Amino acid sequence: GAVVSQHPSRVICKSGTSVKIECRSLDFQATTMFWYRQFPKQSLMLMATSNEGSKATYEQGVEKDKFLINHASLTLSTLTVTSAHPEDSSFYICSARVRTVRTEAFFGQGTRLTVV
Amino acid sequence: DAKTTQPNSMESNEEEPVHLPCNHSTISGTDYIHWYRQLPSQGPEYVIHGLTSNVNNRMASLAIAEDRKSSTLILHRATLRDAAVYYCILIEGKTSYDKVIFGPGTSLSVIP
Repeated sequence: GAVVSQHPSRVICKSGTSVKIECRSLDFQATTMFWYRQFPKQSLMLMATSNEGSKATYEQGVEKDKFLINHASLTLSTLTVTSAHPEDSSFYICSARVRTVRTEAFFGQGTRLTVV
Repeated sequence: DAKTTQPNSMESNEEEPVHLPCNHSTISGTDYIHWYRQLPSQGPEYVIHGLTSNVNNRMASLAIAEDRKSSTLILHRATLRDAAVYYCILIEGKTSYDKVIFGPGTSLSVIP
């Protein structure tokens, strides 16, 4: 199946700093990428949808100035958590859908962010 | 968004078949029925999907009701590695832009 690579898998940062998470589709062109956040024992919560070359669409309640999403190419999307605080500590997951008639979504391995 | 309903949790004995149900009474004609599973501390993994007919792959089988208002994911012989949260999701088939929204899913425990 199609592979989505997410990096880093774990990151610890100090409060007030920014962290960038990369999401790459390795063997297909991803028209659309999604970013999710997941707290312990909860389901995935969609944060934003990004289409290549256009601005991301954020879900209600997600601060676009805090969670910067860039989808510069058909194989790369980045999520930057700016001025991170301990409450931003979470498991962040990216997903990509294929630019064909296929409907499956493929997911990255996730990034565990801990803000201290 | 079309929604699905799944039991919160299920248990199965190892090496026995598991039937995970999903209700989607408001499904539209262009919605595909997808199943994903998530192992602890990992991203979700695609399991199977279908539109109208039953589907089989190396991981599982998907049985879809004739009226498409419900479906069942079948794991033929549960192993300890199948312990995960299973999500039944409807994804519209016309475009890749449609959001993929997760519900609570079913947490499957496999008993040795």
